[in-house]
Parts: sequence; C-alpha cells; structure tokens
Amino acid sequence: QKEVEQNSGPLSVPEGAIASLNCTYSDRGSQSFFWYRQYSGKSPELIMSIYSNGDKEDGRFTAQLNKASQYVSLLIRDSQPSDSATYLCAVRKTGGFKTIFGAGTRLFVKA
Amino acid sequence: DGGITQSPKYLFRKEGQNVTLSCEQNLNHDAMYWYRQDPGQGLRLIYYSQIVNDFQKGDIAEGYSVSREKKESFPLTVTSAQKNPTAFYLCASNPWQGANTGELFFGEGSRLTVL
Repeated sequence: QKEVEQNSGPLSVPEGAIASLNCTYSDRGSQSFFWYRQYSGKSPELIMSIYSNGDKEDGRFTAQLNKASQYVSLLIRDSQPSDSATYLCAVRKTGGFKTIFGAGTRLFVKA
Repeated sequence: DGGITQSPKYLFRKEGQNVTLSCEQNLNHDAMYWYRQDPGQGLRLIYYSQIVNDFQKGDIAEGYSVSREKKESFPLTVTSAQKNPTAFYLCASNPWQGANTGELFFGEGSRLTVL
C-alpha cells in the first residue's frame, strides 16, 4: 500500500463546475496535509494546507480533512481552464521532516 | 525577491559522469530538501538537511550525495552510481524553526537527461 494514494485521472470537468480531488494516506500519525498544484513542466506550488479535521476554505478552494477515515480532499469551485494541472496531495508526520507526496491527479477543465 | 534558485535548468550528461545541481535560497529557511520526479509520478525524497553541516538520507539516496556548508546552499551531486538518473530534480526549503507547518517552497527545477 502506498503511503499517499491519489486517483491519477485524468479528471475532466466543464468550466464553472466543481472539481473534487481525493487523497488517502496510510500513517495515522500524520498531522499536516497539503495540496500542491503543478503545471506541466513546472515545479509544484502550494495552494492549500490543513491541519485539523473539517473544512478550510480559501477563495475557490476548499480542503477537507477526515483523520478517522485518513482522507483528504480538495474542492475547486467555479473551475477555470487555468486550473488544468496536476494536483499533488502531500502528508507530513508530527515532528517529522519528511513530506510524502502522492502521484498526483491530472485535472482538465474544458472551456 | 526571496526565493529558491536552481541551476542549471537543463543538463545533459554522458553515462559515467558525475554532475552537480545547484540550489540556493535567500528565504533564511533552515531546512532544505531534494526531490526527484519521474514522468507521471509523485515526488520522491532524495536527501534533506535541517541545519548546516547536517543532512539525512531520504527514500532514494543511493547514487546521490549532498553537502550543506552554508545555510543558503544545498547542492546535489548525481554520481555515476545512479543507474537511472534521467529525471526532474526539485529543491525545496521550509522554515523549520518555530511553527514548523511543513509547507515546502520549491525552486523551478533542474531537468537532467543522460545521453
């Protein structure tokens, strides 16, 4: 079992729709959770971080964390073609220095 | 502007050659990291360093070496012992001290191709 698992996609949504990206992790000791966006050929860029159960909203992005189910999700509302990218889920343990990344989900937003 | 600078952006290497990738940051971050990314895959940790003159192996350290002589610099050497070095290499940093949230700031990456 991979430490951080994501559906590789591609996930295709029409412009203006809600895109839902999901991630599961295996280590219950994980405490910090991140979503990075990576455009083709570019480096990852942090878009959301979440540390406690529940929802965290930032503009069109909402991160959701359920530690009991070991599940993290990212919702993108009013999806735009510029949101087309690979979204990487990342997890870090408490007091640790290693951040483990999932393989990423490719998102296509159709105009 | 503060940030992380990686060089070179593109690098071609012949088999059997060692190459060194540069990573410099002016964010005053304590922790620095090297990741490798292969097509369609996530990032895999090669080495990381929490403080000057100290570093630890990540998950795929074989065939790589690093040094941390200055806080700002964390160069990665890809040695001839690395059997499949063609990849996209990413350097990252994190404040670490104080509230270590674990958020990583990345450089633009170095793409290494072995001919």
